[in-house]
Amino acid sequence: SQQGEEDPQALSIQEGENATMNCSYKTSINNLQWYRQNSGRGLVHLILIRSNEREKHSGRLRVTLDTSKKSSSLLITASRAADTASYFCATVTYGGATNKLIFGTGTLLAVQP
Amino acid sequence: EAGVVQSPRYKIIEKKQPVAFWCNPISGHNTLYWYRQNLGQGPELLIRYENEEAVDDSQLPKDRFSAERLKGVDSTLKIQPAELGDSAVYLCASSSLSRQREQYFGPGTRLTVT
Repeated sequence: SQQGEEDPQALSIQEGENATMNCSYKTSINNLQWYRQNSGRGLVHLILIRSNEREKHSGRLRVTLDTSKKSSSLLITASRAADTASYFCATVTYGGATNKLIFGTGTLLAVQP
Repeated sequence: EAGVVQSPRYKIIEKKQPVAFWCNPISGHNTLYWYRQNLGQGPELLIRYENEEAVDDSQLPKDRFSAERLKGVDSTLKIQPAELGDSAVYLCASSSLSRQREQYFGPGTRLTVT
């Protein structure tokens, strides 16, 4: 079963513009991660934000987390054609000894050169 | 450092046939995961191993799917017999011992059942 729902499902922008993707989830989490998937490199981890953090940066990526609203956003600034990919949020919850990563449905980003 | 290796990359089989996927995780990673990703969806966990022990196989359809991780390194996922609905990408991932885990994914095996 999917935990997260990404919004929008698809996004098309011009190179140089910013891209914002949103993720909503259902249950309490320990951390939330964003992954990128394209045909060339498969699924790649981008950034992890812990439940006690509100914002995190990594290069051109900015992630926010609002645990009260059970939502997160991923901002990609100054987008490039190489950013074209599907982006997934994934949540981690802890229960006993388990550590399960549950993915959302993804946002397909197309960056036009 | 070599990444997660999977083979084959593509497989086309007829329904009711068996199929097997192989995964070699990153050296030193004791946790190994098998995911299934349907078209247009995110990956869904099938089974997770800690060393050679399957610690979460609640999502594995055990009537036709089986997995093993002998010696706690390589792993094989098998489907027998395959059904049309098994067409998907099967992803293997691995991670090191840490509470806040980053998973490293292989390129996946795209299975088409005809």
